[in-house]
Formats: sequence, structure tokens, C-alpha cells
Amino acid sequence: QVQLQESGPGLVKPSETLSLTCTVSGASISSSYWSWIRQPPGKGLEYIGHIHNSGSTSSNPSLKSRVTISLDTSKSQISLKLSTVTAADTAVYYCARRGGADVWGQGTTVTVS
Amino acid sequence: DVVMTQSPLSLPVTLGQPASISCISTQSLVNSDGNTYLHWFQQRPGQSPRRLIYQVSKRESGVPDRFSGSGSGTDFTLIISRVEAEDVGVYHCMQGTHWPYTFGQGTKLEIK
Repeated sequence: QVQLQESGPGLVKPSETLSLTCTVSGASISSSYWSWIRQPPGKGLEYIGHIHNSGSTSSNPSLKSRVTISLDTSKSQISLKLSTVTAADTAVYYCARRGGADVWGQGTTVTVS
Repeated sequence: DVVMTQSPLSLPVTLGQPASISCISTQSLVNSDGNTYLHWFQQRPGQSPRRLIYQVSKRESGVPDRFSGSGSGTDFTLIISRVEAEDVGVYHCMQGTHWPYTFGQGTKLEIK
């Protein structure tokens, strides 16, 4: 079955760039599109953005131009970069399949401090 | 952005009793393709969310049939016909019709 695994540094300094990777197994990364979603501590879920297998992306306007999502088909990975982070970006970050998020990774906790 | 409002935010339920969660959107969630992209997720303590229901009422494979979804337009409901101990967690609705996609605040279900 399809499995997603997020990875990246758990601690990022304010004003720096957060970089995460999601590794996909059990499915071709070219067969679907892929999303990033986050959940600040004690709060609800926020949809960050997604990337189609064509490479086209959409990101939440609330994050302005700080988000970059890309694909590495050779490694079956999706990456997320969020620039100029602040404490408000502290959250569990999830990757998921499709905009409807039918499959989720286990999430990775990122603290900005 | 489309705001998704869930109620109640806290739901204590006796084992074996039904539970109902409402999700109301500020815009109709009927897409131009005729589909309604309203989904329900369950997040058990310490786990990532899991999709239970998609497009209002379609149950994911492996989801017990005590879970059902209904609604249309702007008003949607998740019903658990008989709550079991494993149903404890937070339930989220999400709309995937209007960009940016948005979630409700989450409803925490606990056993009385």
C-alpha cells in the first residue's frame, strides 16, 4: 500500500528556511498529486499547498510567497521549503496524497526557536 | 477563504450511543464538476489524521459502517451510529472545492 514518510530537521532558527522531504513508497510519484498540511500545537489543520505530477504547484495565499514545493521523481520524494520562518510556523508537518488527502504520512514536528 | 465551522467542539458520548458532528461552510461546496468535495478525517491521540468519508458520504475502504456522512451545499454531518472506545479522538471536516482548501476547527470526541 501507499506509504508516506516525512523527514527533516526538528529545530529551525527564526528567519531561516524550513526544509522537509516526503518519501513515497508503494506508488509512483508520477501517478498523483501531493499535498503538505500542517498542525500547530493544540490547533487545527492548515492546508499549505500541493504539487501536481506535471510539476505545477498551488500554495496557500496565507503563506504568501514563502512556500516552495517540488518533486524529485528519481527519489520518489516531494519537498517543502518555507522561508523566513517565525514561531508561528512551529507545527507538525504532514505530507498527503492528493488534495483530498486520502493517505497521510506520520508527520514530523518542526519547532522554530 | 471558505470558513468551516464545526459543532460541537467537544463531544462526550456514552459507549454504544450515537454521536453527531456538524460542519457548516460559508460557501456552497458544490464544485463546477458537480461533485461536492467535503471530507471527514479522524485523528486518534498521537496519530496522523485518517480519511473516513470523502465527497460527503463515501466511506473509505476499511472504515466501519457505523460511520456515515450526509449533507449538501453548505451543511454537512458526520454520524457515528454506536460509539466504540476506539472512536476517541478529534474529527475534522475539510473542503476541497474552493482554493485554498480549509479545515474545520476539529471536534474532540471523548467517552463519558
